[in-house]
Amino acid sequence: KQEVTQIPAALSVPEGENLVLNCSFTDSAIYNLQWFRQDPGKGLTSLLLIQSSQREQTSGRLNASLDKSSGRSTLYIAASQPGDSATYLCAVRNYGQNFVFGPGTRLSVLP
Amino acid sequence: EADIYQTPRYLVIGTGKKITLECSQTMGHDKMYWYQQDPGMELHLIHYSYGVNSTEKGDLSSESTVSRIRTEHFPLTLESARPSHTSQYLCASSEWTDRTVLHFGNGTRLTVT
Repeated sequence: KQEVTQIPAALSVPEGENLVLNCSFTDSAIYNLQWFRQDPGKGLTSLLLIQSSQREQTSGRLNASLDKSSGRSTLYIAASQPGDSATYLCAVRNYGQNFVFGPGTRLSVLP
Repeated sequence: EADIYQTPRYLVIGTGKKITLECSQTMGHDKMYWYQQDPGMELHLIHYSYGVNSTEKGDLSSESTVSRIRTEHFPLTLESARPSHTSQYLCASSEWTDRTVLHFGNGTRLTVT
């Protein structure tokens, strides 16, 4: 059974810092992995989707990498801003299965 | 931006009442999902559908039921609400192929008193 963990659980950084969020999964036979952002009391907004054949995806200041063999993905946020404050979740899909979500990393970017 | 809508946004209701949470999407997606999320906790899949007349139970046992009579509509019903049902309910949808993005609505925050 796929299990997804995210480290750290919470992170507080000053504005302008570059930061890395980590996602680990136990079953490396994944189909794809998706990173989401969730603002308090809201639904999830998709940030990046990485297929199993890809090593990374980029969107603006965000870069997500995937290392299937080690069961890890990282989300890199460049030049963080207060508006980036939110909970970031990764979700992993195995072949023929539904997404399994991690518990999230709660990010605070201080002005 | 994804076009998936959930109503109501907030609902406070007494124990024993029957409630239906609405979810609609205008993207023509075949697959739809219901997740339950307690504050600060993980998302758990409670129901999903692969198309009209298809419904399946998810990983988390739930006393709710769902129906899929139309592609765009995937309502969730609780026949008799209890305080233990207090939670946030999130609806999502995706295209048929697993290669595509999962889109979420803004959720319904349910409180049962």
